[in-house]
Amino acid sequence: GAGVSQSPRYKVAKRGQDVALRCDPISGHVSLFWYQQALGQGPEFLTYFQNEAQLDKSGLPSDRFFAERPEGSVSTLKIQRTQQEDSAVYLCASSPRTRTDTQYFGPGTRLTVL
Amino acid sequence: QQQVKQSPQSLIVQKGGISIINCAYENTAFDYFPWYQQFPGKGPALLIAIRPDVSEKKEGRFTISFNKSAKQFSLHIMDSQPGDSATYFCAASENIRGYGQNFVFGPGTRLSVLP
Repeated sequence: GAGVSQSPRYKVAKRGQDVALRCDPISGHVSLFWYQQALGQGPEFLTYFQNEAQLDKSGLPSDRFFAERPEGSVSTLKIQRTQQEDSAVYLCASSPRTRTDTQYFGPGTRLTVL
Repeated sequence: QQQVKQSPQSLIVQKGGISIINCAYENTAFDYFPWYQQFPGKGPALLIAIRPDVSEKKEGRFTISFNKSAKQFSLHIMDSQPGDSATYFCAASENIRGYGQNFVFGPGTRLSVLP
């Protein structure tokens, strides 16, 4: 595809359930970012991958959040034992090089925890 | 300080008018200042960006003004159109050696352009 794709687009989970959110970056893009966007707020950084290496996970809010990119392309953000405060849109972005300015965002996954 | 402040929170402009959104930052290590446009249900898309070595950048109807000493930058949308109605985010980033760009986003401005 031409852009970053994310699936599912919408996810409803009961409190305590585990969820997995998928990101397909633009083919060949080296860098991949995950952001959390609360309602009415700007995106907040969660974690960053350069190829398969997770170089920064300082934005992950708790140890219930885990991200991986095992082959340097598709990435999965996993949230264990979801809580209501995890409800947000989770955005994935990719960029072509290790040091580049333009991040291309996917449409996001809207997670609602009941 | 990593925070980027943005104002106003919402803005209503008549068609043909000028929309102005302002941002301020504290971290003097920031070296790249993009603006993103986000429509409902979509991810943010890069609109225009500036580096601190210039004070202004114009692309079509969109202009960024940058004041390095005041640590402020703003987006001006000339001849605003109803299709410009969206949420606009300013952002700032610094280049961290071996890592790349670390982005911080403002809270957003919801722009409504009335026909």
